[in-house]
Amino acid sequence: DAKTTQPPSMDCAEGRAANLPCNHSTISGNEYVYWYRQIHSQGPQYIIHGLKNNETNEMASLIITEDRKSSTLILPHATLRDTAVYYCIVRQSPTSGGTSYGKLTFGQGTILTVHP
Amino acid sequence: NAGVTQTPKFRILKIGQSMTLQCTQDMNHNYMYWYRQDPGMGLKLIYYSVGAGITDKGEVPNGYNVSRSTTEDFPLRLELAAPSQTSVYFCASREGGTDTQYFGPGTRLTVL
Repeated sequence: DAKTTQPPSMDCAEGRAANLPCNHSTISGNEYVYWYRQIHSQGPQYIIHGLKNNETNEMASLIITEDRKSSTLILPHATLRDTAVYYCIVRQSPTSGGTSYGKLTFGQGTILTVHP
Repeated sequence: NAGVTQTPKFRILKIGQSMTLQCTQDMNHNYMYWYRQDPGMGLKLIYYSVGAGITDKGEVPNGYNVSRSTTEDFPLRLELAAPSQTSVYFCASREGGTDTQYFGPGTRLTVL
């Protein structure tokens, strides 16, 4: 699985967009970018994933650069409840022939603090 | 639909004691996982299972054992607890054909 680099912490004002960057310069052609978050004392929660096209769901948007070496998770209107550690993970999709049985390798992540 | 449930929520063990962490999912997922998370760190995979009767080691399996006799349950066994096993343990499950893992609320274990 490709290595990822994220800033250790970020702040965001409530109601504003939170843009969380992730570098993955060694990503392979068949590796996806996944985002999970972990709110304090809870289990991780899936947010979104993508291969090369930008993706959007009810929680967030994922913007992947054309060379796929970096991506940005966007929370369009951050709330206090979005305060959490956000993990960017790069790996083969287990549903696309990946052999890693879907295991997730979590790094340090970015601590996002949303303040009033 | 309760999702992934774990028991107990908290436990304190003495060195050398044993215990079983319970994990149950009601989503009929084939894939299940056990992770541990040490303070300030990311999650590390202990064991996983791709279906009833099939389990395999993850990154940090030493000191642990698992079994998968049913689709719903995936217990994690600690035989001889050591202080290095003080951690928060998360169970997760995934449906085959999807990429999303669903996590339980975790078990906080302290070994003294």
